[in-house]
Amino acid sequence: KQEVTQIPAALSVPEGENLVLNCSFTDSAIYNLQWFRQDPGKGLTSLLLIQSSQREQTSGRLNASLDKSSGRSTLYIAASQPGDSATYLCAVMEGGSQGNLIFGKGTKLSVKP
Amino acid sequence: SQTIHQWPATLVQPVGSPLSLECTVEGTSNPNLYWYRQAAGRGLQLLFYSVGIGQISSEVPQNLSASRPQDRQFILSSKKLLLSDSGFYLCAWSPMTGAKTEAFFGQGTRLTVV
Repeated sequence: KQEVTQIPAALSVPEGENLVLNCSFTDSAIYNLQWFRQDPGKGLTSLLLIQSSQREQTSGRLNASLDKSSGRSTLYIAASQPGDSATYLCAVMEGGSQGNLIFGKGTKLSVKP
Repeated sequence: SQTIHQWPATLVQPVGSPLSLECTVEGTSNPNLYWYRQAAGRGLQLLFYSVGIGQISSEVPQNLSASRPQDRQFILSSKKLLLSDSGFYLCAWSPMTGAKTEAFFGQGTRLTVV
């Protein structure tokens, strides 16, 4: 059974720092991995999608990597800002599924001004 | 562009009352549709998914049911709510299945059963 783990559960950093969020999964038979952002009481906003054949994806200050063989992904946020404060969720789409996502519990990020 | 609408945003219902949450997608056809629940302290859990009208698959046994009466409409229901049904319910859609599939989520419904 696929399990997704995110470390750390919470992170507090001063503004301007570069930071890394970690995600690990137990079964490498995935279609893709997706990173989401969730603001309090809101839905999920898709940040980056990495296909199983890809190693990384970049969008602005965000860079996500994928090492499928070791079951790991990282989300790198450069030059963090207070507006980046949110919960970041990692999810894998299992191969052979109908697009079902298996989520980690998230990392709650707080960026202090 | 595609958009997903989910309502209501918040709902407080007594134990034993019925439930109906609705989700609609615009700007696409034949989407895969999903209902997830996010309970306090737990990750998002897939409840139901649908690959077409009238085709519903359930991931976990529960007090809830889902229906897809139209191509872009997905409804989550219960005949009698339990306290344990409280949580944050999210509807999602994806255009296809495969490596390039990206999922898009609605704004969620906060359900409190009292």
